[in-house]
Amino acid sequence: DVKVTQSSRYLVKRTGEKVFLECVQDMDHENMFWYRQDPGLGLRLIYFSYDVKMKEKGDIPEGYSVSREKKERFSLILESASTNQTSMYLCASSLADQPQHFGDGTRLSIL
Amino acid sequence: GQQLNQSPQSMFIQEGEDVSMNCTSSSIFNTWLWYKQDPGEGPVLLIALYKAGELTSNGRLTAQFGITRKDSFLNISASIPSDVGIYFCAGQLPNTGNQFYFGTGTSLTVIP
Repeated sequence: DVKVTQSSRYLVKRTGEKVFLECVQDMDHENMFWYRQDPGLGLRLIYFSYDVKMKEKGDIPEGYSVSREKKERFSLILESASTNQTSMYLCASSLADQPQHFGDGTRLSIL
Repeated sequence: GQQLNQSPQSMFIQEGEDVSMNCTSSSIFNTWLWYKQDPGEGPVLLIALYKAGELTSNGRLTAQFGITRKDSFLNISASIPSDVGIYFCAGQLPNTGNQFYFGTGTSLTVIP
């Protein structure tokens, strides 16, 4: 079974802090994705990566950056957290052209 | 981003009833997926559809890839309390690599 592990289930940070959300997958997947989930808006793609050191912007990349130094790990970075970034963040991974497998999510609150 | 219209937004049904939900798009997709998200968890893949007209079942769940390739349907028969959750459709456009677009979800509540 594919395992996608997000480092924290719940996180509380302050406005202006730099925040790191970590995601690790154990199935040697090429592709990794970061989404945010908000009520009534579904899942919106922030960034994705097809390979190590490669990244592509999704639909809502503003205020975020990512890092993929190793194939199994994809990090989402909030450079200077703001209250409108309070949300549920979901990481996913997949093989090429295959369905994505999701982690359990990180519920992030910015105070 | 691509818009997927998923309906209904929410459903409240009695245990034992059948459920239908659908997803539509203005674009043609070459893959449709259906996920379920339990409260506090990440989405889990239920059914994947790869061909127009395809009908696939997974236990009490049946999904169809619409003939026009612009829509997909999910049916749940004889609902039970553990069917509670949010159901998402997702579609993949032709020649766009590995990016999937997600619907806004259907929240299902099953009343015992």
